[in-house]
Amino acid sequence: GAGVSQSPSNKVTEKGKDVELRCDPISGHTALYWYRQSLGQGLEFLIYFQGNSAPDKSGLPSDRFSAERTGGSVSTLTIQRTQQEDSAVYLCASSLEVIRLHSPNEQYFGPGTRLTVT
Amino acid sequence: GENVEQHPSTLSVQEGDSAVIKCTYSDSASNYFPWYKQELGKGPQLIIDIRSNVGEKKDQRIAVTLNKTAKHFSLHITETQPEDSAVYFCAALNTNAGKSTFGDGTTLTVKP
Repeated sequence: GAGVSQSPSNKVTEKGKDVELRCDPISGHTALYWYRQSLGQGLEFLIYFQGNSAPDKSGLPSDRFSAERTGGSVSTLTIQRTQQEDSAVYLCASSLEVIRLHSPNEQYFGPGTRLTVT
Repeated sequence: GENVEQHPSTLSVQEGDSAVIKCTYSDSASNYFPWYKQELGKGPQLIIDIRSNVGEKKDQRIAVTLNKTAKHFSLHITETQPEDSAVYFCAALNTNAGKSTFGDGTTLTVKP
């Protein structure tokens, strides 16, 4: 079946411009997660959604970052006034429900969007 | 907040040998510990996970152990094959909070 998809796969933008990254989760998955992966680094948690609400936004690096999810499906991560340090791969993942201790709901990751800010 | 340390950062083994990757975590509230394999140009893929009520879990050539007292967990791959070459990430999650913290990754190279 279809997995998590992200678009665009690559994005090159000039410093100061706004960018919008899109994530299409697996159909029926209520939980959606955004991560950032800098070169040679681990995954940095940004935000997660349960349905359309984001219980935890603590991982967003600055107020230039925002995310929304509508209809319990597609999510967009927006970065305003991009900076060079925003360059990274942005990964989206979804799970059937938010992971609970006794549930088997693993996260399925998309291929990521590689963002380069010049 | 949670802090996860992963070692080693790179690991090279001969085909057929075993590989062990270790992670430590700081938040005693963490109760779910997944391991991911990431191949070049792809998103991470879950390979095995362990929950706090279990000390060890095995799936064919892959096993994970968890020591909650010492706050560390390890990934063991036996009879390694060249296709095991990838970057492996550990993570720790408090399922009541929903947020995963990842290690920095281990680049595993299996030499034929």
